[in-house]
Amino acid sequence: ETGVTQSPTHLIKTRGQQVTLRCSSQSGHNTVSWYQQALGQGPQFIFQYYREEENGRGNFPPRFSGLQFPNYSSELNVNALELDDSALYLCASSLGRGGMNTEAFFGQGTRLTVV
Amino acid sequence: AQTVTQSQPEMSVQEAETVTLSCTYDTSENNYYLFWYKQPPSRQMILVIRQEAYKQQNATENRFSVNFQKAAKSFSLKISDSQLGDTAMYFCAFMKPSGNTPLVFGKGTRLSVIA
Repeated sequence: ETGVTQSPTHLIKTRGQQVTLRCSSQSGHNTVSWYQQALGQGPQFIFQYYREEENGRGNFPPRFSGLQFPNYSSELNVNALELDDSALYLCASSLGRGGMNTEAFFGQGTRLTVV
Repeated sequence: AQTVTQSQPEMSVQEAETVTLSCTYDTSENNYYLFWYKQPPSRQMILVIRQEAYKQQNATENRFSVNFQKAAKSFSLKISDSQLGDTAMYFCAFMKPSGNTPLVFGKGTRLSVIA
């Protein structure tokens, strides 16, 4: 167990709806990154938050947004859901923003299905 | 942009045997980090081993070792004395050393260890 928890574990939404996924980072970690893992693919970087500010973003549209709270937990919000948003969403926490010694610890993911 | 390629979608190995998973990457950076992650059916991404590009010595972690060939941009994972618990998806990942860079993953190799 890594100490990173995500909720919910599974979720089914209808196309056009909005969804919020949550991540509690490991104690002492100030950086949270979100990844989307489509079926049969490797995780793709969505964005990263460091000390409550967005600190890097991958090639995802603005309807993917996030927040990081003072306790360093984080939310991923997706508006106007599309069928292609169906995926496993992974959260990773780390101490610091990158580098060899800032190991990323992953949660167990949220499986989102859009119908 | 960096890319990571894993050319073996699936592999199998007999228990107690040795298996090697392949990974190649493309980058113009001189210094970077490389990782192998394991994703069992529980979905949680677990760090197996990591390598710093400026270190010529190949990393080793118990039964896991890498063959890092910087000029060839190759980073293979060798698992010795394979165990049933090694059955999982294995992802090769790349990261630049600067502050806000994410992990770039390959598509993964599904490894099955057969009793």
